[in-house]
Amino acid sequence: AQSVTQPDIHITVSEGASLELRCNYSYGATPYLFWYVQSPGQGLQLLLKYFSGDTLVQGIKGFEAEFKRSQSSFNLRKPSVHWSDAAEYFCAVGASGNTGKLIFGQGTTLQVKP
Amino acid sequence: ETGVTQTPRHLVMGMTNKKSLKCEQHLGHNAMYWYKQSAKKPLELMFVYNFKEQTENNSVPSRFSPECPNSSHLFLHLHTLQPEDSALYLCASSPTVGGSYEQFFGPGTRLTVL
Repeated sequence: AQSVTQPDIHITVSEGASLELRCNYSYGATPYLFWYVQSPGQGLQLLLKYFSGDTLVQGIKGFEAEFKRSQSSFNLRKPSVHWSDAAEYFCAVGASGNTGKLIFGQGTTLQVKP
Repeated sequence: ETGVTQTPRHLVMGMTNKKSLKCEQHLGHNAMYWYKQSAKKPLELMFVYNFKEQTENNSVPSRFSPECPNSSHLFLHLHTLQPEDSALYLCASSPTVGGSYEQFFGPGTRLTVL
């Protein structure tokens, strides 16, 4: 069965520092992978997605993610964090077939120190 | 209105009340979803509709009753809820069902059951 693990429940970084949020997935074939961000009181917004091709994917707000098949990982990165990046981040894998399911990780809460 | 809208944004109800949540998407999509987001738990998919037909019911208790009159509107009828049903209820849409499709989320309805 597909699953997604985000090992870090909570991360605190200083403004201007680099960021890496980890995501590991379990899936039998080439996965469809997504990163979403949720600000307080808001729904989820797509940051980026990976379907195939170039394993380094660029997204909105200066985020990027790298797909590593050998490690079953899809980590999210940003070179310099801004205070407005404080939010909850969710990694998700698209289920096989046409069920439409997205399997979400538990989320990582990012706190940004001034 | 653009994207996915949800009303009301906040709802407080007693266990004997009947209420409904409304979701509307302005994206021309054909698939719509209800998710439940509880504190410290992954997003739980509740229902999936594709072209107005229910394609997924993720073992949701019958006190939650979805309705999809057309591809743009989705309702969640609530009755005889329990305090543990208090959560953020998110609606999403996508062009059609399939794990490769990005889902667009509404801002959610924060439900409190007393």
